[in-house]
Amino acid sequence: GQQLNQSPQSMFIQEGEDVSMNCTSSSIFNTWLWYKQDPGEGPVLLIALYKAGELTSNGRLTAQFGITRKDSFLNISASIPSDVGIYFCAGQTSTGANSKLTFGKGITLSVRP
Amino acid sequence: GAGVSQTPSNKVTEKGKYVELRCDPISGHTALYWYRQSLGQGPEFLIYFQGTGAADDSGLPNDRFFAVRPEGSVSTLKIQRTERGDSAVYLCASSLTSDGRAGETQYFGPGTRLLVL
Repeated sequence: GQQLNQSPQSMFIQEGEDVSMNCTSSSIFNTWLWYKQDPGEGPVLLIALYKAGELTSNGRLTAQFGITRKDSFLNISASIPSDVGIYFCAGQTSTGANSKLTFGKGITLSVRP
Repeated sequence: GAGVSQTPSNKVTEKGKYVELRCDPISGHTALYWYRQSLGQGPEFLIYFQGTGAADDSGLPNDRFFAVRPEGSVSTLKIQRTERGDSAVYLCASSLTSDGRAGETQYFGPGTRLLVL
């Protein structure tokens, strides 16, 4: 099935550094979301974006909904060891019967202390 | 419980067997979703329930897969004649509603890890 494009597959950063992740799609989405997944757990919502151009922050996380509605980015500032995990972007077309999420393949983030 | 729960957490079965995976959504959530996550991939949509009815089952890969939600709460994903390619993590998510921004957040359970030998 369709998946959003996330690359690279893995990222390695030093504790305290900032990191930015992009997500692109060939299709338009009306909602963009960023999830984090830890081993053995389900994805947990980090940030939801509902409007093209919207910039939203949640603590050290900042995400933007691209103007074209075909992309989004997530920025993590001042990384800490607990930021380790897999970060997924997800798009949602609409509500109701179209409310399913389409996910990217995820980016595995490693943080060196 | 406070979150979405799924049982069993792990399931090992043999090729050709039948399995049932259970999802208990957050109390009061009307929308329930099943996703499948293969190794190294993001979750892929299988089916979505609004109340008791399947509003979208376009993600079910074939007719060996079936899901029910008879009372609008607990849901069971059923897989007949399992194949090795069915091995994956099966995730369930629920949301308060599916028709309004504030209630749309999908909360995921920890998943059931299915291994078909």
